[in-house]
Amino acid sequence: GAGVSQTPSNKVTEKGKYVELRCDPISGHTALYWYRQSLGQGPEFLIYFQGTGAADDSGLPNDRFFAVRPEGSVSTLKIQRTERGDSAVYLCASSTGAGETQYFGPGTRLLVL
Amino acid sequence: GQQLNQSPQSMFIQEGEDVSMNCTSSSIFNTWLWYKQDPGEGPVLLIALYKAGELTSNGRLTAQFGITRKDSFLNISASIPSDVGIYFCAGHSTSGTYKYIFGTGTRLKVLA
Repeated sequence: GAGVSQTPSNKVTEKGKYVELRCDPISGHTALYWYRQSLGQGPEFLIYFQGTGAADDSGLPNDRFFAVRPEGSVSTLKIQRTERGDSAVYLCASSTGAGETQYFGPGTRLLVL
Repeated sequence: GQQLNQSPQSMFIQEGEDVSMNCTSSSIFNTWLWYKQDPGEGPVLLIALYKAGELTSNGRLTAQFGITRKDSFLNISASIPSDVGIYFCAGHSTSGTYKYIFGTGTRLKVLA
C-alpha cells in the first residue's frame, strides 16, 4: 500500500508474555520511528532507525524493549515480560530521511492483562 | 518522557468560528510539525515548518514558526464539524538527534 502499515491492529496479552509488533514503512523511506502513546497523551519517542541501524534508542524505557530492522525496511518492536503499564498504542512512522517529515501508521493497540 | 506544552488543552467552539492553539518548548527547535489525530487512527500531518518566522497555510489552516524558535501557532479559520479531533504539535531540536518531541495535544470539539 501507499502508507505505513502496522500489524496487528490490536493485541491482547497476559502479564509476563512476549509480544512482537510489526511496522511496514512507506516504500523507499530510509528512516523509521517507533512511538508509544498512552491514553490522553501525545506520542512519546521510543527509537529511530536510519537504514538498518538504530540511530537513537534513547526513548526505550528499559531493557525489556527492543527493536530491529534487519533489511532496512520492515521493523519489529519486541517487548519481553510484558507489564500492565506497557498497555498503550504503539505507533510507527517513516520518512525519506533523518529530520524529514514523518508519516504515521494507524498504530497497534496493546493491552496487557 | 518529555512532552511540549500545548494550550489550550481542550476547546469547544461553534461551527464557523476561528480557532487558535499554540505550542511552547524550553529548547530551540529547527522544525515544527502540526498533526491531527482522529480516534483510532495515527496522527496525520497538517503543516510542516522549517524556518523561524515562517508562516504556512494549508487550506483553512495556518501555522507559524515562532521567531524565538521555541514556539509555534496553529490557526483554523471558519471551523467545520470535521475539524473535531486532537491536534498535536511536534518539534525537532537542534541537539543532533532526529527524534521528535510531541505536545500534549489540544482536543477540539465543534458544535454545529
